[in-house]
Parts: sequence; C-alpha cells; structure tokens
Amino acid sequence: GQQLNQSPQSMFIQEGEDVSMNCTSSSIFNTWLWYKQEPGEGPVLLIALYKAGELTSNGRLTAQFGITRKDSFLNISASIPSDVGIYFCAAIQDFGNEKLTFGTGTRLTIIP
Amino acid sequence: SAVISQKPSRDICQRGTSLTIQCQVDSQVTMMFWYRQQPGQSLTLIATANQGSEATYESGFVIDKFPISRPNLTFSTLTVSNLSPEDSSIYLCSVLDSREKLFFGSGTQLSVL
Repeated sequence: GQQLNQSPQSMFIQEGEDVSMNCTSSSIFNTWLWYKQEPGEGPVLLIALYKAGELTSNGRLTAQFGITRKDSFLNISASIPSDVGIYFCAAIQDFGNEKLTFGTGTRLTIIP
Repeated sequence: SAVISQKPSRDICQRGTSLTIQCQVDSQVTMMFWYRQQPGQSLTLIATANQGSEATYESGFVIDKFPISRPNLTFSTLTVSNLSPEDSSIYLCSVLDSREKLFFGSGTQLSVL
C-alpha cells in the first residue's frame, strides 16, 4: 500500500530554534494533515491542507502542501518546551475514499 | 471539531480474555474509524465502523479478532478478542468531519499479561 516517508525520525533542538520536518510519498495525495501526539494522548490535528501549493499557518506552525502533491512540510518557529512530542503527517488519496495513510512520525525533543 | 470520549483509557488484561472499548461522539458523524498504534509505531487502520452494517476491515484484521459495533451515528465499540501479549497497543477511535479532518479520541492503552 501507500507509504509516507517522514523525516527526520527524531530531532534534538534547543529552545528557541526553528524546526523543519517533511513527509514524502511516491503517490499523489489530495489532502495532507499534520498531527502532534503527546504521551498517553491521541493525536491532535494541527493543520489541514487541501490544495497543491497551499501554505497554511497555525500560530508558530506553518505547513505546505507540495506542488507535486507528493509531499508536505511542517515548520515550527521559535520552539518552546511544550512543542515536545511526536509529529505525524497523514494524507488522503482520493475524495470519497477517506482512509488516511500515516507517516512514520518525527519525535521532537527540546533541550533547555 | 467533534468531542470524542473513549473508555477505558487503559486496561491490563489476562491472556485469552477480551476487552471492549467504547467510543462516544458528541455529534452525529458518518465516518468513524478504529486505529491501532503499536509501541513506538505509527497508526494503522483496523477498520471503518459502518452504521447499521458490518464494519469494513483492512488487510490483516479480521472480524473474529476485532468485532466492531456501530448502533448509531454517535457510538461505536471495538472488541479485541482472545488477547495475547502481541495485542498490547494503543487503540484509537477517530471520526472524519465534512472537511476531511480526522479527529481522535484520547486512546485506550491495552497491556496484555
């Protein structure tokens, strides 16, 4: 089946630094979603992207839907301790077939 | 966004028993899904819970092992049957809204001894 390759697998950054992660696929997807998961919780939706080339922000988070529809990027500016968690990309291939494919996750650790 | 209540939040079960997980949504939703997240892994779709009909299972998941009920548009249950240690995972209920946004419950952490 389809796979979403997410990188990096883990990140160790200092508070205040910017963070970038991406998600790529060999297949075209029509909707991209980014989630954050903290220990003991379900994933929480951060940003949804619906159109190739779309750039959407949510506070310090910015995500882009790649122009080829095969990738997406998430950036976090000026990281803070509460940004710690695992970030997952997810994507839907076809309208009317709303099964999500999930990426492998990026574990973000912030060094004080 | 929909508010999803999932319970139990965690349980420890003996091998060979079953656990039923409940998912309650605060609004009517058409699409409801059950996911499994094995330790340190990403999320894998188990099945789509269809209201009034049998669930649609993904490859590798069968109804005898993971029976699902969906009696109405706000409620669903997932049972994990004949438990073995390999079933130790987080099980997550999720719903899809009209804008193709998928929202998750807080999950059920299952440990099988």
